[in-house]
Amino acid sequence: QVQLQESGPGLVKPSETLSLTCTVSGGSVSSVGYYWSWFRQPPGKGLEWIGYIYYSGSTNYNPSLKSRVSISVDTSKNQFSLKLSSVTAADTAVYYCARDFPHNAHGLDVWGQGTTVTVSS
Amino acid sequence: DIQMTQSPSSLSASVGDRVTITCRASQTISNYLNWYQQKPGKAPKLLIYAASSLQSGVPSRFSGGGSGTDFTLTISSLQPEDFATYYCQQSYTAPFTFGPGTKVDIK
Repeated sequence: QVQLQESGPGLVKPSETLSLTCTVSGGSVSSVGYYWSWFRQPPGKGLEWIGYIYYSGSTNYNPSLKSRVSISVDTSKNQFSLKLSSVTAADTAVYYCARDFPHNAHGLDVWGQGTTVTVSS
Repeated sequence: DIQMTQSPSSLSASVGDRVTITCRASQTISNYLNWYQQKPGKAPKLLIYAASSLQSGVPSRFSGGGSGTDFTLTISSLQPEDFATYYCQQSYTAPFTFGPGTKVDIK
């Protein structure tokens, strides 16, 4: 079955760029009909949608983050990635990648285990 | 953005109890409503999509209902593994937004 695994630095300095990668196994990031998404959850808080990408490269971002966020896909490596620039302490969170199935009301049916990113000098 | 609210914010229940959680959207979202279960330190798990469709592998004691702005998640007979936080999420229009969560704990 499809599995997702996030990877990247756990500590990022303020004003720098957060970079995470999600590796897809047991399936293909080029699968037709699925979007590949990023979410985050600050400590003790709820979930926030960051954005998604289709294998073709088309994207959709949360307007609240749009000026700072970029999601890309590498079909040769079966990965998709998140970049968030100019980070502050407010970007400290557990970051999750997930598979979005638009045919099923955009249900997020596969999730990575999450990776904690702390923004601190 | 569409705002999602949930009630109650927390509840205490016993094994075997019937539990209902309510989710309300700030505008109509048709049936673009999903429910997730999250346990501490774990990723969310999809339970219900499109308001009332049971995700594959999820026990049938979970059910969802509603359309428009008002939705419910019902657990017909609470089991020990069901103690968790439950989130609703609208997927009608981006940005996809979540409710604040309902924590279900042991009475």
